[in-house]
Amino acid sequence: ETGVTQSPTHLIKTRGQQVTLRCSSQSGHNTVSWYQQALGQGPQFIFQYYREEENGRGNFPPRFSGLQFPNYSSELNVNALELDDSALYLCASSLGAQPSYEQYFGPGTRLTVT
Amino acid sequence: QQQVKQSPQSLIVQKGGISIINCAYENTAFDYFPWYQQFPGKGPALLIAIRPDVSEKKEGRFTISFNKSAKQFSLHIMDSQPGDSATYFCAASISEGNDMRFGAGTRLTVKP
Repeated sequence: ETGVTQSPTHLIKTRGQQVTLRCSSQSGHNTVSWYQQALGQGPQFIFQYYREEENGRGNFPPRFSGLQFPNYSSELNVNALELDDSALYLCASSLGAQPSYEQYFGPGTRLTVT
Repeated sequence: QQQVKQSPQSLIVQKGGISIINCAYENTAFDYFPWYQQFPGKGPALLIAIRPDVSEKKEGRFTISFNKSAKQFSLHIMDSQPGDSATYFCAASISEGNDMRFGAGTRLTVKP
């Protein structure tokens, strides 16, 4: 059984550019949640995908968007990058959409916007 | 967006000592309270979780104490070990929701 993987590990982008981050969920998991973790802070919920549909969204603007594929892997897309988007982006997969299902986190993608 | 306040920000404990991390929440609708452990370069991993129908839950050296009336909960690590050195996050959510709210984290250092 493989764990949650994310790619790339690190990424440097320029303000105004677009970025796509990828997450492969753990085998058998149908739910992926994305979080933004600023330096020295706890993760903040961006959105969740359950069986290929968006299933809840945190307080993030529409330029943060996502996809979930039939194999339940997922992408996070961020358009018009801003300096404040610099953070560690974490995805977590789980067997179901509710928080009481244990979320298994990937190691994250470190995004730096210059 | 943070509705969970965590303290202290950092904590240094001697090996064998007790580490205590506290959290307070605002939303009385929260009914699931997990603690996560995060090592450098890794994502958070679930350590232990509690629901408000019990006041305490223990798993090995880790204990959650929960005070519903005070809207507070805490993590106690007994016999702390250098391998426990990590950042710990409390979190809270509504069981029927999908949004997990995390505290800002506590960096624990256990000195040998």
